[in-house]
Amino acid sequence: GEDVEQSLFLSVREGDSSVINCTYTDSSSTYLYWYKQEPGAGLQLLTYIFSNMDMKQDQRLTVLLNKKDKHLSLRIADTQTGDSAIYFCAESMGTGGFKTIFGAGTRLFVKA
Amino acid sequence: DADVTQTPRNRITKTGKRIMLECSQTKGHDRMYWYRQDPGLGLQLIYYSFDVKDINKGEISDGYSVSRQAQAKFSLSLESAIPNQTALYFCATSAPPADTQYFGPGTRLTVL
Repeated sequence: GEDVEQSLFLSVREGDSSVINCTYTDSSSTYLYWYKQEPGAGLQLLTYIFSNMDMKQDQRLTVLLNKKDKHLSLRIADTQTGDSAIYFCAESMGTGGFKTIFGAGTRLFVKA
Repeated sequence: DADVTQTPRNRITKTGKRIMLECSQTKGHDRMYWYRQDPGLGLQLIYYSFDVKDINKGEISDGYSVSRQAQAKFSLSLESAIPNQTALYFCATSAPPADTQYFGPGTRLTVL
């Protein structure tokens, strides 16, 4: 069945780059997403990438997609303490499919 | 004002009680979802609805029921709460074509 896997924890120093990795199993996924969850809040969409793209950049965020290896990564440049949160990878077939599959989330700790 | 609201935000109840969690949205989306979040397990889909007349079970629907009262309202009920239903519950809506999800702030439910 479909599955999305990501490591549970990542710790970085303020100012360094963070790279959060994710692997997925469904090769028919059309969209891949990164969501951020801050303490006491719901998930917020950070960015998403269409499956025919291999990279998307949005300010400090860079998403890389390796469709052959079914690997998705999120790079946060110049990581700040405010970036401390849980980051969820997710996949979906979009409107044509029926649900989004979420990973368990990676908790990012940013040390000052 | 928040686009997706949930009430209550926190609830403590006893085993066997009936509980209703409510969700309202002002985004005008047809698709709505209920998820459960447990630490380290990510999000599990309980029920989803693609329009007012369409209700579908998710991965973990046993012990839960839903009602889609209007496009803007989707409620989740626990008919007879049990302690292993203690969790954080999120309502979400989504929009085509990328099916990006918009989450409410969550309801923290504790069943004693």
